[in-house]
Amino acid sequence: EIVMTQSPATLSVSPGETVTLSCRASQSFTNSLAWYQMKPGQAPRLLIYGASTRATGIPARFSGSGSGTEFTLTISSLQSEDFAVYYCQQYNNWLPITFGQGTRLDIK
Amino acid sequence: QVLLQESGPGLVKPSETLSLTCIVSGGSMTSYYWSWIRRPAGKGLEWIGRIYSTGSTNYNPSLRSRVTMSLDTSKNQFSLKLTSVSAADTAVYYCARMGGNWFDSWGQGTQVTVSS
Repeated sequence: EIVMTQSPATLSVSPGETVTLSCRASQSFTNSLAWYQMKPGQAPRLLIYGASTRATGIPARFSGSGSGTEFTLTISSLQSEDFAVYYCQQYNNWLPITFGQGTRLDIK
Repeated sequence: QVLLQESGPGLVKPSETLSLTCIVSGGSMTSYYWSWIRRPAGKGLEWIGRIYSTGSTNYNPSLRSRVTMSLDTSKNQFSLKLTSVSAADTAVYYCARMGGNWFDSWGQGTQVTVSS
């Protein structure tokens, strides 16, 4: 099983800032990684798949990068609606698919 | 735009079976994998398993002995059964559609509490 570790657990930032979230894998793989945004009471939203491909309708301020064991999600010019919990997910070894523990973005 | 909605009891007694259904609207179930995922309070997401539109299933090895998934494409729904539940199974349960091996559409989630 591939263990995914996200850091930091919580990040306090101000609107308008740029933030980078980290996701580290216990085994190396090329680009089988997705990112999700989760808000209370809402359906989670796919942001990125293939490590860097934005899903349909996702604003350009969301960008993903990385390969091997280190992956990042960068959110530029944070908007109020971006404050949420973000999860990474690997699907290189899909049995089982595994997720990180999440990074919570709080308003400073 | 496909929409998913989970339904089922919010409270299940220990040792009993948790049963949930996901209704799919706005799209066909054909040629897709459909998954269940859960999030225990204060913890990360755990993939439970997936079922293809033909009925073929794959389960997380950690839960395989207790999980059964089924689907009814004529009713546009799929289901989860988790047997012998304990407090560790208390979580928000999500259903989701898989595009590739990622999840491109999700339900809002339903809280299931295991308690006597």
